[in-house]
Amino acid sequence: NAGVMQNPRHLVRRRGQEARLRCSPMKGHSHVYWYRQLPEEGLKFMVYLQKENIIDESGMPKERFSAEFPKEGPSILRIQQVVRGDSAAYFCASSPGREAFFGQGTRLTVV
Amino acid sequence: AQSVTQLDSHVSVSEGTPVLLRCNYSSSYSPSLFWYVQHPNKGLQLLLKYTSAATLVKGINGFEAEFKKSETSFHLTKPSAHMSDAAEYFCVVSDGNTGTASKLTFGTGTRLQVTL
Repeated sequence: NAGVMQNPRHLVRRRGQEARLRCSPMKGHSHVYWYRQLPEEGLKFMVYLQKENIIDESGMPKERFSAEFPKEGPSILRIQQVVRGDSAAYFCASSPGREAFFGQGTRLTVV
Repeated sequence: AQSVTQLDSHVSVSEGTPVLLRCNYSSSYSPSLFWYVQHPNKGLQLLLKYTSAATLVKGINGFEAEFKKSETSFHLTKPSAHMSDAAEYFCVVSDGNTGTASKLTFGTGTRLQVTL
Protein backbone atom coordinates (compact mmCIF):
# COMPACT_ATOMS: atom_id res chain seq x y z
CA ASN A 1 0.00 0.00 0.00
CA ALA A 2 1.75 3.12 -1.19
CA GLY A 3 1.76 6.11 1.11
CA VAL A 4 0.21 9.49 0.43
CA MET A 5 1.64 10.75 -2.84
CA GLN A 6 2.08 14.41 -3.53
CA ASN A 7 3.34 15.95 -6.72
CA PRO A 8 5.21 17.82 -7.71
CA ARG A 9 7.70 17.83 -4.84
CA HIS A 10 9.01 21.23 -5.85
CA LEU A 11 7.16 23.89 -7.82
CA VAL A 12 8.41 27.28 -8.93
CA ARG A 13 5.93 29.84 -10.17
CA ARG A 14 6.23 33.48 -11.16
CA ARG A 15 3.98 36.00 -9.48
CA GLY A 16 0.57 35.99 -11.10
CA GLN A 17 0.73 32.41 -12.34
CA GLU A 18 -1.40 29.52 -11.14
CA ALA A 19 -0.14 26.68 -8.97
CA ARG A 20 -1.76 23.26 -8.92
CA LEU A 21 -0.77 20.82 -6.20
CA ARG A 22 -1.89 17.21 -6.38
CA CYS A 23 -2.44 14.66 -3.64
CA SER A 24 -3.29 10.98 -4.02
CA PRO A 25 -4.47 9.54 -0.71
CA MET A 26 -3.63 6.09 0.55
CA LYS A 27 -5.79 3.33 -0.83
CA GLY A 28 -9.07 3.10 1.01
CA HIS A 29 -8.80 6.54 2.60
CA SER A 30 -11.69 8.87 1.83
CA HIS A 31 -10.61 11.84 3.97
CA VAL A 32 -8.04 14.33 2.74
CA TYR A 33 -6.55 17.32 4.53
CA TRP A 34 -4.36 20.13 3.26
CA TYR A 35 -1.95 22.00 5.52
CA ARG A 36 0.44 24.86 4.87
CA GLN A 37 3.79 25.30 6.59
CA LEU A 38 5.40 28.69 6.35
CA PRO A 39 9.15 28.92 7.01
CA GLU A 40 10.04 28.34 10.67
CA GLU A 41 6.40 27.74 11.61
CA GLY A 42 4.13 24.82 12.39
CA LEU A 43 1.49 23.44 10.09
CA LYS A 44 -1.71 25.39 9.66
CA PHE A 45 -4.91 23.64 8.68
CA MET A 46 -6.38 24.78 5.39
CA VAL A 47 -9.15 22.44 4.29
CA TYR A 48 -10.70 19.02 4.95
CA LEU A 49 -12.39 17.14 2.13
CA GLN A 50 -14.15 13.89 1.56
CA LYS A 51 -14.92 12.55 -1.87
CA GLU A 52 -16.68 15.33 -3.81
CA ASN A 53 -17.38 17.34 -0.65
CA ILE A 54 -15.64 20.10 1.27
CA ILE A 55 -16.21 19.39 4.95
CA ASP A 56 -14.27 22.21 6.57
CA GLU A 57 -12.53 25.05 4.76
CA SER A 58 -12.13 27.34 7.73
CA GLY A 59 -8.39 27.63 7.16
CA MET A 60 -8.51 28.53 3.49
CA PRO A 61 -7.80 32.10 2.44
CA LYS A 62 -10.97 33.63 1.07
CA GLU A 63 -9.51 34.53 -2.30
CA ARG A 64 -7.34 32.76 -4.88
CA PHE A 65 -7.32 29.39 -3.09
CA SER A 66 -9.58 26.44 -3.88
CA ALA A 67 -9.54 22.71 -3.29
CA GLU A 68 -11.36 19.73 -4.68
CA PHE A 69 -11.42 15.97 -4.21
CA PRO A 70 -13.28 14.50 -7.16
CA LYS A 71 -14.87 11.10 -7.31
CA GLU A 72 -12.02 9.90 -9.49
CA GLY A 73 -8.47 11.11 -9.31
CA PRO A 74 -6.36 13.01 -6.84
CA SER A 75 -7.23 15.93 -4.62
CA ILE A 76 -6.14 19.26 -6.09
CA LEU A 77 -5.17 22.42 -4.24
CA ARG A 78 -5.27 25.34 -6.63
CA ILE A 79 -3.74 28.74 -6.04
CA GLN A 80 -4.51 31.41 -8.58
CA GLN A 81 -2.41 34.51 -9.19
CA VAL A 82 0.29 33.45 -6.78
CA VAL A 83 2.14 36.02 -4.69
CA ARG A 84 5.46 35.79 -2.85
CA GLY A 85 3.64 35.18 0.42
CA ASP A 86 2.27 31.91 -0.95
CA SER A 87 5.78 30.44 -0.86
CA ALA A 88 5.55 27.58 1.61
CA ALA A 89 5.46 23.83 1.99
CA TYR A 90 2.01 22.39 1.39
CA PHE A 91 1.28 19.05 2.99
CA CYS A 92 -1.53 16.69 2.25
CA ALA A 93 -2.72 14.02 4.66
CA SER A 94 -5.22 11.23 4.25
CA SER A 95 -7.09 9.37 6.93
CA PRO A 96 -9.36 6.40 7.39
CA GLY A 97 -10.38 7.76 10.81
CA ARG A 98 -8.60 9.82 13.44
CA GLU A 99 -5.03 9.04 12.46
CA ALA A 100 -3.60 11.01 9.54
CA PHE A 101 -0.83 9.95 7.20
CA PHE A 102 1.14 12.74 5.59
CA GLY A 103 2.71 13.04 2.19
CA GLN A 104 6.20 14.42 1.60
CA GLY A 105 4.83 17.83 0.75
CA THR A 106 5.09 20.21 -2.18
CA ARG A 107 7.47 23.11 -1.74
CA LEU A 108 6.12 26.08 -3.65
CA THR A 109 8.46 28.94 -4.44
CA VAL A 110 7.06 32.10 -5.97
CA VAL A 111 9.63 34.25 -7.74
CA ALA B 1 -12.26 24.44 20.05
CA GLN B 2 -8.98 22.64 20.41
CA SER B 3 -5.47 23.94 20.87
CA VAL B 4 -1.98 22.74 21.60
CA THR B 5 0.84 24.49 23.40
CA GLN B 6 4.39 23.30 23.05
CA LEU B 7 6.18 24.90 25.94
CA ASP B 8 9.68 24.96 24.46
CA SER B 9 10.58 26.15 20.97
CA HIS B 10 14.14 24.76 21.28
CA VAL B 11 15.56 21.95 23.40
CA SER B 12 19.22 20.98 23.43
CA VAL B 13 20.51 17.75 25.00
CA SER B 14 23.72 15.80 24.95
CA GLU B 15 23.82 12.47 23.19
CA GLY B 16 22.96 9.70 25.62
CA THR B 17 20.96 11.92 28.00
CA PRO B 18 17.16 11.91 28.42
CA VAL B 19 14.82 13.90 26.21
CA LEU B 20 11.69 15.71 27.43
CA LEU B 21 9.51 17.68 25.03
CA ARG B 22 6.51 19.26 26.71
CA CYS B 23 3.00 19.59 25.35
CA ASN B 24 -0.25 20.81 26.85
CA TYR B 25 -3.57 20.60 25.08
CA SER B 26 -7.07 21.95 25.25
CA SER B 27 -10.03 20.09 23.79
CA SER B 28 -13.78 20.12 24.10
CA TYR B 29 -14.09 16.37 23.70
CA SER B 30 -12.05 13.31 24.47
CA PRO B 31 -9.03 14.04 22.34
CA SER B 32 -6.74 11.97 20.25
CA LEU B 33 -3.16 13.12 20.61
CA PHE B 34 -0.18 12.57 18.38
CA TRP B 35 3.49 13.37 18.13
CA TYR B 36 4.98 13.84 14.67
CA VAL B 37 8.63 14.32 13.76
CA GLN B 38 9.92 16.30 10.81
CA HIS B 39 13.53 16.06 9.70
CA PRO B 40 14.93 18.96 7.66
CA ASN B 41 13.24 19.31 4.26
CA LYS B 42 11.33 16.10 4.84
CA GLY B 43 7.72 15.16 5.40
CA LEU B 44 6.05 14.31 8.67
CA GLN B 45 6.41 10.95 10.34
CA LEU B 46 4.06 9.73 13.06
CA LEU B 47 6.00 8.88 16.23
CA LEU B 48 3.11 7.78 18.40
CA LYS B 49 -0.57 8.29 19.10
CA TYR B 50 -3.01 8.27 22.01
CA THR B 51 -6.62 7.39 21.26
CA SER B 52 -8.19 6.69 24.68
CA ALA B 53 -6.57 3.33 25.32
CA ALA B 54 -3.51 2.99 27.56
CA THR B 55 -2.31 6.32 28.93
CA LEU B 56 1.37 5.45 28.45
CA VAL B 57 2.00 5.20 24.74
CA LYS B 58 5.10 3.72 23.18
CA GLY B 59 6.20 4.83 19.75
CA ILE B 60 8.97 4.29 17.28
CA ASN B 61 12.68 4.89 17.89
CA GLY B 62 12.37 4.53 21.66
CA PHE B 63 10.02 7.47 22.20
CA GLU B 64 7.04 7.35 24.52
CA ALA B 65 4.46 9.76 25.86
CA GLU B 66 2.07 9.78 28.79
CA PHE B 67 -1.44 11.16 28.58
CA LYS B 68 -2.32 12.96 31.84
CA LYS B 69 -5.90 14.19 31.76
CA SER B 70 -5.66 16.00 35.11
CA GLU B 71 -2.74 18.04 33.82
CA THR B 72 -3.96 18.20 30.19
CA SER B 73 -0.46 17.17 29.16
CA PHE B 74 1.07 14.77 26.67
CA HIS B 75 4.82 15.11 27.10
CA LEU B 76 7.21 13.21 24.85
CA THR B 77 10.20 11.42 26.39
CA LYS B 78 13.11 9.24 25.42
CA PRO B 79 15.61 7.76 27.89
CA SER B 80 18.71 8.32 25.78
CA ALA B 81 19.06 10.77 22.90
CA HIS B 82 20.77 9.85 19.67
CA MET B 83 22.25 12.23 17.11
CA SER B 84 19.66 11.07 14.60
CA ASP B 85 16.89 12.38 16.87
CA ALA B 86 17.75 15.97 15.96
CA ALA B 87 14.62 17.26 14.22
CA GLU B 88 11.44 19.29 14.68
CA TYR B 89 8.75 17.68 16.81
CA PHE B 90 5.07 18.56 16.65
CA CYS B 91 2.40 17.79 19.22
CA VAL B 92 -1.00 17.43 17.56
CA VAL B 93 -4.58 17.16 18.85
CA SER B 94 -7.70 15.91 17.17
CA ASP B 95 -11.06 16.06 18.88
CA GLY B 96 -13.17 14.06 16.45
CA ASN B 97 -15.76 13.19 19.04
CA THR B 98 -17.74 11.07 16.62
CA GLY B 99 -14.78 8.81 16.08
CA THR B 100 -14.42 9.93 12.52
CA ALA B 101 -11.69 12.02 11.05
CA SER B 102 -11.51 15.65 12.01
CA LYS B 103 -8.96 18.33 11.49
CA LEU B 104 -5.66 18.13 13.31
CA THR B 105 -4.41 21.12 15.25
CA PHE B 106 -0.63 21.42 15.38
CA GLY B 107 1.56 22.95 18.02
CA THR B 108 4.21 25.41 16.91
CA GLY B 109 6.91 22.77 17.17
CA THR B 110 9.98 22.07 19.28
CA ARG B 111 13.35 21.91 17.63
CA LEU B 112 15.50 19.24 19.28
CA GLN B 113 19.24 19.66 19.05
CA VAL B 114 21.51 16.79 20.08
CA THR B 115 25.13 17.54 20.84
CA LEU B 116 28.13 15.28 21.32
